[in-house]
Amino acid sequence: GAGVSQTPSNKVTEKGKYVELRCDPISGHTALYWYRQSLGQGPEFLIYFQGTGAADDSGLPNDRFFAVRPEGSVSTLKIQRTERGDSAVYLCASSLEGEGYGYTFGSGTRLTVV
Amino acid sequence: RKEVEQDPGPFNVPEGATVAFNCTYSNSASQSFFWYRQDCRKEPKLLMSVYSSGNEDGRFTAQLNRASQYISLLIRDSKLSDSATYLCVVTRSYNTDKLIFGTGTRLQVFP
Repeated sequence: GAGVSQTPSNKVTEKGKYVELRCDPISGHTALYWYRQSLGQGPEFLIYFQGTGAADDSGLPNDRFFAVRPEGSVSTLKIQRTERGDSAVYLCASSLEGEGYGYTFGSGTRLTVV
Repeated sequence: RKEVEQDPGPFNVPEGATVAFNCTYSNSASQSFFWYRQDCRKEPKLLMSVYSSGNEDGRFTAQLNRASQYISLLIRDSKLSDSATYLCVVTRSYNTDKLIFGTGTRLQVFP
């Protein structure tokens, strides 16, 4: 597609539930990144994929968070047993081969845990 | 201490003013440097890269001081449309991996 697409744009879930957030990167972009942005803060790195594999998952806050990219394009961020502190905007970005200059961000998924 | 530090502001300036934002980073191994712009409830977008020699793009000038681990952004002749949050960003390698963001500096330009 022309840009990075994220769905849903908004998600409200109850504490303890499981959620999946989807990212469809720009066609041909091999690198995909997930970030989380809380109110009043800059985006915080979660995980980076190069192709199908997670090249760096050091930003995932705990084992409730998991992400996959099985075919090297679409990625899904999965959060188990959601907590109110997980409420944030989850941003996805893609680029060509991890090129720092060529990032394109999606418009994000706003997750609210009630 | 955060790896990238910025004054959160807000900076409230009149149209036509010149405003400067500063940013410091703590990791001396940082390799690439950027300023991103983020409008309210929108995604971040690259404003400009930052080089040691300094670089200019119209009304915007960015500067990097590696010795002091300091990055600046100067906006001349501010426009109402410049109102946004400006994010200072570093990476740890040239062909990386992850962007490391500051908290952002909010700019509000008033008529």
